[in-house]
Amino acid sequence: GAGVSQTPSNKVTEKGKYVELRCDPISGHTALYWYRQSLGQGPEFLIYFQGTGAADDSGLPNDRFFAVRPEGSVSTLKIQRTERGDSAVYLCASSLNDGFSYEQYFGPGTRLTVT
Amino acid sequence: AQSVAQPEDQVNVAEGNPLTVKCTYSVSGNPYLFWYVQYPNRGLQFLLKYITGDNLVKGSYGFEAEFNKSQTSFHLKKPSALVSDSALYFCAVRDIRAGSYQLTFGKGTKLSVIP
Repeated sequence: GAGVSQTPSNKVTEKGKYVELRCDPISGHTALYWYRQSLGQGPEFLIYFQGTGAADDSGLPNDRFFAVRPEGSVSTLKIQRTERGDSAVYLCASSLNDGFSYEQYFGPGTRLTVT
Repeated sequence: AQSVAQPEDQVNVAEGNPLTVKCTYSVSGNPYLFWYVQYPNRGLQFLLKYITGDNLVKGSYGFEAEFNKSQTSFHLKKPSALVSDSALYFCAVRDIRAGSYQLTFGKGTKLSVIP
Protein backbone atom coordinates (compact mmCIF):
# COMPACT_ATOMS: atom_id res chain seq x y z
CA GLY A 1 0.00 0.00 0.00
CA ALA A 2 0.92 3.66 -0.09
CA GLY A 3 3.44 4.87 2.41
CA VAL A 4 3.71 8.15 4.26
CA SER A 5 3.84 11.07 1.87
CA GLN A 6 5.13 14.58 2.52
CA THR A 7 4.82 17.76 0.52
CA PRO A 8 6.66 19.70 -0.63
CA SER A 9 9.84 17.67 -0.97
CA ASN A 10 11.88 20.85 -0.90
CA LYS A 11 11.06 24.31 0.42
CA VAL A 12 13.24 27.39 0.22
CA THR A 13 12.06 30.43 2.12
CA GLU A 14 13.42 33.71 3.33
CA LYS A 15 14.16 34.44 6.96
CA GLY A 16 11.07 35.73 8.71
CA LYS A 17 8.54 34.05 6.41
CA TYR A 18 5.85 31.55 7.36
CA VAL A 19 5.89 27.96 6.04
CA GLU A 20 3.58 24.98 6.14
CA LEU A 21 4.71 21.40 5.69
CA ARG A 22 2.18 18.67 4.99
CA CYS A 23 2.13 15.00 5.95
CA ASP A 24 -0.25 12.31 4.71
CA PRO A 25 0.10 9.20 6.89
CA ILE A 26 -0.48 5.57 6.01
CA SER A 27 -4.20 4.91 5.79
CA GLY A 28 -5.56 3.59 9.09
CA HIS A 29 -2.63 4.74 11.20
CA THR A 30 -3.97 6.61 14.19
CA ALA A 31 -0.64 7.93 15.44
CA LEU A 32 1.39 10.59 13.63
CA TYR A 33 4.78 12.04 14.52
CA TRP A 34 6.96 14.90 13.39
CA TYR A 35 10.74 14.79 13.67
CA ARG A 36 13.49 17.15 12.54
CA GLN A 37 16.83 15.92 11.19
CA SER A 38 19.78 18.25 10.95
CA LEU A 39 22.84 17.40 8.88
CA GLY A 40 24.89 14.65 10.43
CA GLN A 41 22.39 13.99 13.19
CA GLY A 42 19.65 11.51 13.92
CA PRO A 43 16.02 12.60 13.82
CA GLU A 44 14.82 14.62 16.82
CA PHE A 45 11.26 14.31 18.06
CA LEU A 46 8.97 17.32 17.73
CA ILE A 47 5.36 16.29 18.32
CA TYR A 48 3.09 13.24 18.45
CA PHE A 49 -0.62 13.04 17.60
CA GLN A 50 -2.98 10.28 18.63
CA GLY A 51 -6.04 10.93 16.52
CA THR A 52 -6.74 14.64 16.31
CA GLY A 53 -5.06 15.69 19.53
CA ALA A 54 -1.42 16.41 20.25
CA ALA A 55 -0.55 13.79 22.88
CA ASP A 56 3.04 14.96 23.31
CA ASP A 57 4.44 18.26 22.02
CA SER A 58 7.46 18.31 24.30
CA GLY A 59 9.88 18.41 21.39
CA LEU A 60 8.66 21.62 19.79
CA PRO A 61 11.61 24.03 20.19
CA ASN A 62 9.58 27.21 20.77
CA ASP A 63 6.21 28.82 20.11
CA ARG A 64 7.06 29.55 16.47
CA PHE A 65 6.36 25.89 15.78
CA PHE A 66 2.83 24.54 15.71
CA ALA A 67 1.17 21.47 14.23
CA VAL A 68 -2.40 20.42 13.59
CA ARG A 69 -4.25 17.27 12.58
CA PRO A 70 -7.87 18.42 12.41
CA GLU A 71 -9.49 15.26 11.03
CA GLY A 72 -7.13 12.68 12.46
CA SER A 73 -5.40 11.98 9.16
CA VAL A 74 -3.38 14.65 7.33
CA SER A 75 -1.17 16.86 9.49
CA THR A 76 0.41 20.24 8.87
CA LEU A 77 3.51 21.53 10.62
CA LYS A 78 3.56 25.32 10.71
CA ILE A 79 6.60 27.46 11.33
CA GLN A 80 6.25 31.19 11.88
CA ARG A 81 8.97 33.82 11.49
CA THR A 82 11.44 31.27 10.15
CA GLU A 83 15.08 31.50 11.17
CA ARG A 84 18.17 30.14 9.44
CA GLY A 85 18.54 27.63 12.28
CA ASP A 86 15.23 26.07 11.26
CA SER A 87 16.90 24.70 8.12
CA ALA A 88 16.69 20.90 8.33
CA VAL A 89 14.84 17.92 6.93
CA TYR A 90 11.42 17.58 8.54
CA LEU A 91 10.28 13.98 8.77
CA CYS A 92 6.80 12.70 9.35
CA ALA A 93 6.02 9.18 10.58
CA SER A 94 2.91 7.20 11.36
CA SER A 95 2.11 4.04 13.30
CA LEU A 96 -0.77 1.86 14.40
CA ASN A 97 -0.20 1.87 18.18
CA ASP A 98 -2.57 -1.05 18.46
CA GLY A 99 -0.65 -2.84 21.18
CA PHE A 100 1.09 -5.11 18.66
CA SER A 101 2.78 -2.83 16.16
CA TYR A 102 5.23 -0.36 17.64
CA GLU A 103 7.36 0.65 14.71
CA GLN A 104 6.97 4.02 13.07
CA TYR A 105 6.96 4.35 9.29
CA PHE A 106 8.64 7.43 7.91
CA GLY A 107 7.98 9.60 4.90
CA PRO A 108 10.72 10.90 2.58
CA GLY A 109 10.87 14.24 4.39
CA THR A 110 10.68 17.91 3.46
CA ARG A 111 14.01 19.68 3.14
CA LEU A 112 13.54 23.21 4.46
CA THR A 113 16.12 25.83 3.65
CA VAL A 114 15.83 29.27 5.22
CA THR A 115 17.94 31.90 3.47
CA ALA B 1 15.75 10.91 29.96
CA GLN B 2 16.34 8.37 27.26
CA SER B 3 19.43 8.37 25.04
CA VAL B 4 21.16 6.31 22.39
CA ALA B 5 24.85 6.10 21.55
CA GLN B 6 26.27 4.83 18.30
CA PRO B 7 30.00 4.92 19.02
CA GLU B 8 31.16 4.51 15.43
CA ASP B 9 30.54 7.24 12.87
CA GLN B 10 31.62 4.87 10.10
CA VAL B 11 32.05 1.13 9.67
CA ASN B 12 33.87 -0.37 6.71
CA VAL B 13 33.53 -4.05 5.86
CA ALA B 14 34.45 -6.19 2.88
CA GLU B 15 31.65 -7.74 0.87
CA GLY B 16 30.86 -11.22 2.16
CA ASN B 17 32.25 -10.56 5.62
CA PRO B 18 30.06 -10.33 8.73
CA LEU B 19 29.11 -6.85 9.86
CA THR B 20 28.27 -5.33 13.23
CA VAL B 21 26.93 -1.84 13.90
CA LYS B 22 26.99 -0.97 17.58
CA CYS B 23 24.30 0.66 19.69
CA THR B 24 23.96 1.28 23.41
CA TYR B 25 21.03 2.93 25.13
CA SER B 26 19.95 4.50 28.39
CA VAL B 27 16.37 4.52 29.71
CA SER B 28 14.77 4.69 33.12
CA GLY B 29 12.45 1.78 32.47
CA ASN B 30 12.29 -1.04 29.95
CA PRO B 31 13.15 -0.21 26.37
CA TYR B 32 11.60 -0.78 23.03
CA LEU B 33 14.49 -0.80 20.54
CA PHE B 34 14.56 -0.24 16.80
CA TRP B 35 16.95 -0.14 13.88
CA TYR B 36 16.31 1.97 10.80
CA VAL B 37 18.27 2.37 7.56
CA GLN B 38 18.48 5.53 5.47
CA TYR B 39 19.55 5.50 1.84
CA PRO B 40 20.63 8.76 0.16
CA ASN B 41 17.70 11.11 -0.53
CA ARG B 42 15.25 8.62 0.90
CA GLY B 43 13.34 8.33 4.14
CA LEU B 44 14.10 6.07 7.06
CA GLN B 45 13.18 2.45 6.52
CA PHE B 46 12.30 0.18 9.43
CA LEU B 47 14.59 -2.87 9.75
CA LEU B 48 13.73 -4.59 13.01
CA LYS B 49 12.60 -4.14 16.59
CA TYR B 50 12.93 -5.60 20.05
CA ILE B 51 9.83 -5.38 22.20
CA THR B 52 9.91 -8.41 24.45
CA GLY B 53 10.78 -12.11 24.37
CA ASP B 54 13.71 -13.57 22.47
CA ASN B 55 16.84 -11.45 22.76
CA LEU B 56 17.82 -12.21 19.16
CA VAL B 57 15.49 -10.56 16.70
CA LYS B 58 15.49 -10.98 12.95
CA GLY B 59 14.47 -8.33 10.47
CA SER B 60 14.47 -7.31 6.86
CA TYR B 61 17.25 -8.02 4.32
CA GLY B 62 18.93 -10.66 6.51
CA PHE B 63 19.70 -8.30 9.39
CA GLU B 64 19.42 -9.32 13.01
CA ALA B 65 20.09 -7.68 16.36
CA GLU B 66 20.78 -8.92 19.85
CA PHE B 67 19.27 -7.27 22.90
CA ASN B 68 21.62 -7.40 25.90
CA LYS B 69 19.99 -5.95 29.00
CA SER B 70 23.06 -6.15 31.24
CA GLN B 71 25.18 -4.27 28.72
CA THR B 72 22.29 -2.04 27.59
CA SER B 73 23.20 -2.81 24.01
CA PHE B 74 21.34 -3.63 20.82
CA HIS B 75 23.97 -4.28 18.14
CA LEU B 76 22.92 -4.80 14.53
CA LYS B 77 24.47 -7.74 12.72
CA LYS B 78 24.48 -9.50 9.38
CA PRO B 79 26.41 -12.70 8.60
CA SER B 80 27.45 -11.70 5.08
CA ALA B 81 27.53 -8.07 3.93
CA LEU B 82 26.39 -6.95 0.50
CA VAL B 83 27.51 -3.82 -1.37
CA SER B 84 23.83 -2.82 -1.43
CA ASP B 85 23.87 -2.70 2.41
CA SER B 86 25.94 0.49 2.21
CA ALA B 87 23.80 3.17 3.87
CA LEU B 88 23.28 5.14 7.08
CA TYR B 89 21.97 3.12 10.02
CA PHE B 90 20.14 4.53 13.01
CA CYS B 91 19.39 2.92 16.34
CA ALA B 92 16.37 4.24 18.28
CA VAL B 93 14.84 3.68 21.69
CA ARG B 94 11.48 4.28 23.28
CA ASP B 95 11.25 4.32 27.07
CA ILE B 96 8.12 2.44 28.12
CA ARG B 97 8.12 3.90 31.62
CA ALA B 98 8.17 7.44 30.28
CA GLY B 99 4.73 6.80 28.79
CA SER B 100 5.61 8.55 25.58
CA TYR B 101 5.67 7.18 22.09
CA GLN B 102 8.55 9.35 20.94
CA LEU B 103 11.67 7.70 19.60
CA THR B 104 15.15 8.90 20.54
CA PHE B 105 17.69 8.24 17.81
CA GLY B 106 21.43 7.88 17.78
CA LYS B 107 23.55 10.01 15.47
CA GLY B 108 23.80 7.25 12.93
CA THR B 109 26.57 5.00 11.60
CA LYS B 110 27.60 5.07 7.98
CA LEU B 111 28.17 1.55 6.72
CA SER B 112 30.38 1.11 3.67
CA VAL B 113 30.62 -2.36 2.15
CA ILE B 114 33.67 -2.64 -0.07
CA PRO B 115 33.47 -4.90 -3.13
